[in-house]
Amino acid sequence: KAGVTQTPRYLIKTRGQQVTLSCSPISGHRSVSWYQQTPGQGLQFLFEYFSETQRNKGNFPGRFSGRQFSNSRSEMNVSTLELGDSALYLCASSLIGPPYQGKNIQYFGAGTRLSVL
Amino acid sequence: DQQVKQNSPSLSVQEGRISILNCDYTNSMFDYFLWYKKYPAEGPTFLISISSIKDKNEDGRFTVFLNKSAKHLSLHIVPSQPGDSAVYFCAANYGKLTFGQGTILTVHP
Repeated sequence: KAGVTQTPRYLIKTRGQQVTLSCSPISGHRSVSWYQQTPGQGLQFLFEYFSETQRNKGNFPGRFSGRQFSNSRSEMNVSTLELGDSALYLCASSLIGPPYQGKNIQYFGAGTRLSVL
Repeated sequence: DQQVKQNSPSLSVQEGRISILNCDYTNSMFDYFLWYKKYPAEGPTFLISISSIKDKNEDGRFTVFLNKSAKHLSLHIVPSQPGDSAVYFCAANYGKLTFGQGTILTVHP
């Protein structure tokens, strides 16, 4: 079974531009979460989608948005990029849906490394 | 508000010895705890988990201990191997997963 696929793997953008990242979950997984990883900050939760609906949202500004399609694939968009948005963006999928009680194992993709110049 | 904290950014251990990675949390509503391992250029992979109603879970060389009164979680790796060198994240679940900042483990041959 194929794992979580994220594209592209690397991106270089300049301040003020916007960017769209893509995530294909494991087949059969309907929940997709997005995280930002920066040194010293660990994995910061961005948002989570289940059945095309955003179910949870982290403390990020409105420049960060996402969506999920009927085939469970998800995209994340960042508008008006800032230097501080440089990070590794990780997507994870899981089999179970809300309310996520108990053993909620998430399976991660390799991430998209975004550099903002 | 960092609800899950890994206070040691790094840990260095000799091959064959025990590695102990620690994690503290503040939210008593967390009902499940997980450890993930991350190699460079790869996404985190699930390692081991423990329910909040247990105090220990073992899987081969990996054991996770939970001390609910202290709100403390630890991962023991015995014996440590050079291939265990990676970043380890603890995570806690209540509605969503909350991750710690990670600890870089280096196991020296």
